[in-house]
Amino acid sequence: EVQLVESGGGLVKPGGSLRLSCAASGFTFSSYSMNWVRQAPGKGLEWVSSISSSSSYIYYADSVKGRFTISRDNAKNSLYLQMNSLRAEDTAVYYCARGERAMVAGGYYFDYWGQGTLVTVSS
Amino acid sequence: SYVLTQPPSVSVAPGQTARITCGGNNIGSKSVHWYQQKPGQAPVLVVYDDSDRPSGIPERFSGSNSGNTATLTISRVEAGDEADYYCQVWDSSSDHPRVFGGGTKLTVL
Repeated sequence: EVQLVESGGGLVKPGGSLRLSCAASGFTFSSYSMNWVRQAPGKGLEWVSSISSSSSYIYYADSVKGRFTISRDNAKNSLYLQMNSLRAEDTAVYYCARGERAMVAGGYYFDYWGQGTLVTVSS
Repeated sequence: SYVLTQPPSVSVAPGQTARITCGGNNIGSKSVHWYQQKPGQAPVLVVYDDSDRPSGIPERFSGSNSGNTATLTISRVEAGDEADYYCQVWDSSSDHPRVFGGGTKLTVL
């Protein structure tokens, strides 16, 4: 059974830092791209960052570029998100999601999601 | 950047058919994926590649995609289908290709 378990969320002051982790199990972690998707309170889903299976390709949303860093450790079956210079608008539930390749017209979708970890940025 | 437009809300009586649309420029040329999210829970993939269902998703959930509109159809709607639904595509022309629609709240009357 595929499982994704996020941790590391919490309350942090504006300008502070936080590191999120996602522990994966039930599949060959090193074979899949992985993603972070967030959801602000009462809002929709927002893609944050993606990393390819071997870490060769990394992408960020404009809203977090230069402040967040995604990484992975395939030996530990773990995904990370280092978040620096946090702002109030970064307050959200952060989900770890596995990327699966779409067959019809290319690209990726998110076939498994963790339960999320809440990040609150407030003074 | 590519924009996906969903109606904010759709209401349907139990046993009827719900149709949730996702509009985008020439979306028919892209793969569309749909997620269901119930309150306090993580999203769940219900349709991928326009019309395929992951294992465990009831046949009542189906999808179609043509022209400028993709549609998620839920037949014989049940109270348990009440949730937010999001469409998602991959926009290969963008630096940020993973695009979500704004979401649709399905209310079962």
